[in-house]
Amino acid sequence: GQQLNQSPQSMFIQEGEDVSMNCTSSSIFNTWLWYKQDPGEGPVLLIALYKAGELTSNGRLTAQFGITRKDSFLNISASIPSDVGIYFCAGGTYKYIFGTGTRLKVLA
Amino acid sequence: GAVVSQHPSRVICKSGTSVKIECRSLDFQATTMFWYRQFPKQSLMLMATSNEGSKATYEQGVEKDKFLINHASLTLSTLTVTSAHPEDSSFYICSARAANTDTQYFGPGTRLTVL
Repeated sequence: GQQLNQSPQSMFIQEGEDVSMNCTSSSIFNTWLWYKQDPGEGPVLLIALYKAGELTSNGRLTAQFGITRKDSFLNISASIPSDVGIYFCAGGTYKYIFGTGTRLKVLA
Repeated sequence: GAVVSQHPSRVICKSGTSVKIECRSLDFQATTMFWYRQFPKQSLMLMATSNEGSKATYEQGVEKDKFLINHASLTLSTLTVTSAHPEDSSFYICSARAANTDTQYFGPGTRLTVL
């Protein structure tokens, strides 16, 4: 099945650092969603983006819907140990394609 | 926020048996439910989309006779893995979407192990 390109694949960061990850697609999407998945659990919605250029925050998380509608990025500011997990982007309209995931590990 | 449950959370079965997984939207009516499969350290792959009261639409490469989907009510969809084999072992996750929204809410997933 089709997947979105998500980078980086994984990252180790120090607690307190900011994190950036992004997703790119060859197709235009009407909606971008960002999820976090902890081991053995289902994804949890973090941020939903519905308009090109939209910048939306949820606490320490900020995500943007790219102007071209083919990309999106997620920033996490001042990371903490509980930010550990796998972050997925998803793009689509009616049904969604998921990114390959970014595995985040935070060093205390 | 919207809550989606799945049952069972884990199931182990013998090769050749069938397994049914339930997905329920607890506090909203889900006009559409989606079934995904996730292999270890991989992303979610959409298997099928089901709308309440109609036949599911399967993604390319997904056998509809093997993965039976029923969406009989606005709060319940079921996935039955028929004649399961070890290669069907995976994490199966459902999501639900309410009418007039593009946001999907995911269930906690079901870990299927076929011996």
